Amino acid sequence: GAGVSQSPSNKVTEKGKDVELRCDPISGHTALYWYRQSLGQGLEFLIYFQGNSAPDKSGLPSDRFSAERTGGSVSTLTIQRTQQEDSAVYLCASSLWRTRTDTQYFGPGTRLTVL
Amino acid sequence: DAKTTQPNSMESNEEEPVHLPCNHSTISGTDYIHWYRQLPSQGPEYVIHGLTSNVNNRMASLAIAEDRKSSTLILHRATLRDAAVYYCILDLNTGNQFYFGTGTSLTVIP
Repeated sequence: GAGVSQSPSNKVTEKGKDVELRCDPISGHTALYWYRQSLGQGLEFLIYFQGNSAPDKSGLPSDRFSAERTGGSVSTLTIQRTQQEDSAVYLCASSLWRTRTDTQYFGPGTRLTVL
Repeated sequence: DAKTTQPNSMESNEEEPVHLPCNHSTISGTDYIHWYRQLPSQGPEYVIHGLTSNVNNRMASLAIAEDRKSSTLILHRATLRDAAVYYCILDLNTGNQFYFGTGTSLTVIP
């Protein structure tokens, strides 16, 4: 079946602009995660959604970052007033449930470059 | 925060076994040990996970120390396609997120 998809694959923006990154999880997966990966670094957790519960926003680096998940499916990560340090690959993952043994399936990522 | 420690990089010859170590001395009794890998320009993919007993699947084996403070991912015959960054992650039973470190970059030499 279809995996996790993300769009756009690449985004170049100017400092100060807002950007929206989209994630389509695997159909039927209730849990959705956003991560950020800066060049040469590991993954940094940003936010997590589980079904209709309030998201865990504990990883968001600043109030310029927000995310929503509509209808328990598609998610959008929004970065307002982008800064150069926001340049990174943004990865989305989904899992069937959120148990300690569930596998996370990752999308290919969106590479964001802030000029 | 429970953390893992891995070597930054390792090399292996093609078709030889590879043992990737991970230390997790602060692991609690119910934390699972997960391994993911990230091929170049791709998102991470699941490799294997375990709790106490050694585990085998079609991709790899996971050997867990008796005290659970370390584990080893074993690739039985490395291929060029196994060149990737391998992450060892503890799933905290009190939190909701995975903590990915910087992983081990595996180079496979033909």
